[in-house]
Amino acid sequence: IAGITQAPTSQILAAGRRMTLRCTQDMRHNAMYWYRQDLGLGLRLIHYSNTAGTTGKGEVPDGYSVSRANTDDFPLTLASAVPSQTSVYFCASSETSGSTGELFFGEGSRLTVL
Amino acid sequence: GQNIDQPTEMTATEGAIVQINCTYQTSGFNGLFWYQQHAGEAPTFLSYNVLDGLEEKGRFSSFLSRSKGYSYLLLKELQMKDSASYLCAVRDSNYQLIWGAGTKLIIKP
Repeated sequence: IAGITQAPTSQILAAGRRMTLRCTQDMRHNAMYWYRQDLGLGLRLIHYSNTAGTTGKGEVPDGYSVSRANTDDFPLTLASAVPSQTSVYFCASSETSGSTGELFFGEGSRLTVL
Repeated sequence: GQNIDQPTEMTATEGAIVQINCTYQTSGFNGLFWYQQHAGEAPTFLSYNVLDGLEEKGRFSSFLSRSKGYSYLLLKELQMKDSASYLCAVRDSNYQLIWGAGTKLIIKP
């Protein structure tokens, strides 16, 4: 089934540890995004990539980094995790031309930093 | 600043109709989206409006008034499976999505 795959689904992490959340899509979409979702807040954009080889900062980029070496993969790295990074992380992708540009989301990665 | 407002929570009865409102103040406008998100799951696309008026898709309809910065999502013939959060999002002049906090819809039998 075509779509977006995120891993891990859930993770408990000690503060100060490095963590990479993986995201892979097989829809050949140009654009990919990382959001975090916290209770009572809207989805907040962390980083995005409009095409392979380029990335950009979103609303809340501090403490996170991304890379886009190819069309399909868009990993998110927390260099040194802090408790405030406890959240649900969603990866998404969209086609940026010839469509409404709606986002397709992965199932999410629930991260707890202790 | 940019802002999307929608009610935090609404309750409705199975079989009834409910209207979820969304007002927005953004830097430019390039379309408004509604997404549905069941608890513990990913958001899924419901509707897209870029011109004023009503877009109908089965039991769901979405309305837009750009001059008023206003949209609503109308759900008819409510079913228990419609219990979910409904997210309003506006694409601004930079083609970035600005998200509301979502409206949790509770359906009672």
